[in-house]
Amino acid sequence: QLQLHESGPRLVKPSETLSVTCTVSGGSLGSSSWCWGWIRQAPGKGLEWLGSLYYTGSRDYNPSLKSRLTIFEDTSKNEFSLKLTSVTAADTAFYFCVRQVYYDPSCSNMWGPGILVTVSP
Amino acid sequence: QSVLTQPPSASGTPGQRVTISCSGSSSNIGSNSVNWYQQFPGTAPKLLIYSNDQRASGVPDRVSGSKSGTSASLAISGLQSEDEANYYCAAWDDSLKGVVFGGGTKLTVL
Repeated sequence: QLQLHESGPRLVKPSETLSVTCTVSGGSLGSSSWCWGWIRQAPGKGLEWLGSLYYTGSRDYNPSLKSRLTIFEDTSKNEFSLKLTSVTAADTAFYFCVRQVYYDPSCSNMWGPGILVTVSP
Repeated sequence: QSVLTQPPSASGTPGQRVTISCSGSSSNIGSNSVNWYQQFPGTAPKLLIYSNDQRASGVPDRVSGSKSGTSASLAISGLQSEDEANYYCAAWDDSLKGVVFGGGTKLTVL
């Protein structure tokens, strides 16, 4: 049974870098059937796609965040991570890692429970 | 401002049929599949409908999805109290080269 779980610092200061890691258990990051992504949700707000990582190593990023966002993987640990630089209070959100259908990244069929990251001095 | 447009709220009484609309454009819904998610407060979203009209595993057949042109709909018949949740539509956008979501619809069972 595939499971995803997010981890990382829950409090980040403004202008610093937000980092969250997703540990994948019960499945492999290397499968060609899936891609792996990040979606966030500010408290009380809607869903926002951040980016997706494909088994080929290519990535797609939300254009509004592309200059600050990096998504990368560590296949030896079966983990993938995001780094978001120069954060502000607007980046306070629940961050979810997801498994997506490789030919349709808008289809996220597995979700981690999410981690709330707060940006505050 | 979300790329896909959903009504912020919808409601119905137990047993009724409700529909939630999702409006987009030729670059997203018009040319790609639509997926629907259900989210209860304090929990992660769950895939409900994929590829416009396919029910995800475990979703009852009283839940259905459809797409026509640049719009999509989610229908729930035989409304139950446990259907009270937030619902989001999503699609790939060829122009933005990314995933776009609707703003979400809060469904209330009266």
